[in-house]
Amino acid sequence: NAGVTQTPKFQVLKTGQSMTLQCAQDMNHNSMYWYRQDPGMGLRLIYYSASEGTTDKGEVPNGYNVSRLNKREFSLRLESAAPSQTSVYFCASSSLAGAGGEQFFGPGTRLTVL
Amino acid sequence: GIQVEQSPPDLILQEGANSTLRCNFSDSVNNLQWFHQNPWGQLINLFYIPSGTKQNGRLSATTVATERYSLLYISSSQTTDSGVYFCAAPPTDSWGKLQFGAGTQVVVTP
Repeated sequence: NAGVTQTPKFQVLKTGQSMTLQCAQDMNHNSMYWYRQDPGMGLRLIYYSASEGTTDKGEVPNGYNVSRLNKREFSLRLESAAPSQTSVYFCASSSLAGAGGEQFFGPGTRLTVL
Repeated sequence: GIQVEQSPPDLILQEGANSTLRCNFSDSVNNLQWFHQNPWGQLINLFYIPSGTKQNGRLSATTVATERYSLLYISSSQTTDSGVYFCAAPPTDSWGKLQFGAGTQVVVTP
């Protein structure tokens, strides 16, 4: 039981390049989330998926797109990376949709955009 | 939206000391979580505690939902307790959006 896994662990991009961050969970959770963490701050929600087939914007969605590929997988895409997207990205999942579910986090992807 | 405030922002402890971290939130919540982010950046779930008191080893947490605060107690601190402690809560009308506090940076010295 691996919990929440993320790939890659580290990535360096040049401005304007695109990439997709992958996330998978094996806990049979319905809801999945993408957060970013900037230095000295807590996490901020980018997008979430309350259940398979649905996605919604969070607090900071600009510059990102997401795909809920199936119940296990939720990917985050940067179409044209900008230096402001340099951050650590965390994926999370929870069994209950909405405000009631305990969220479990993956190990993070450290992204640098030059 | 909901505001989550943590205090103190920084804490330096000698190994073996006890401490209390506080989390205040501005609105009613259905759940509250405490996390430990270790020096390697990993977020570890400590407590899922919408109300009441829970204990896990040397750590315990109490949430008083009616008064909108939660406390995390660290007893007999160890150097492995170093890191940043976050509390996070979603407002009742928000789907899954955990609002994080700014964290408390804890350093435990030998």
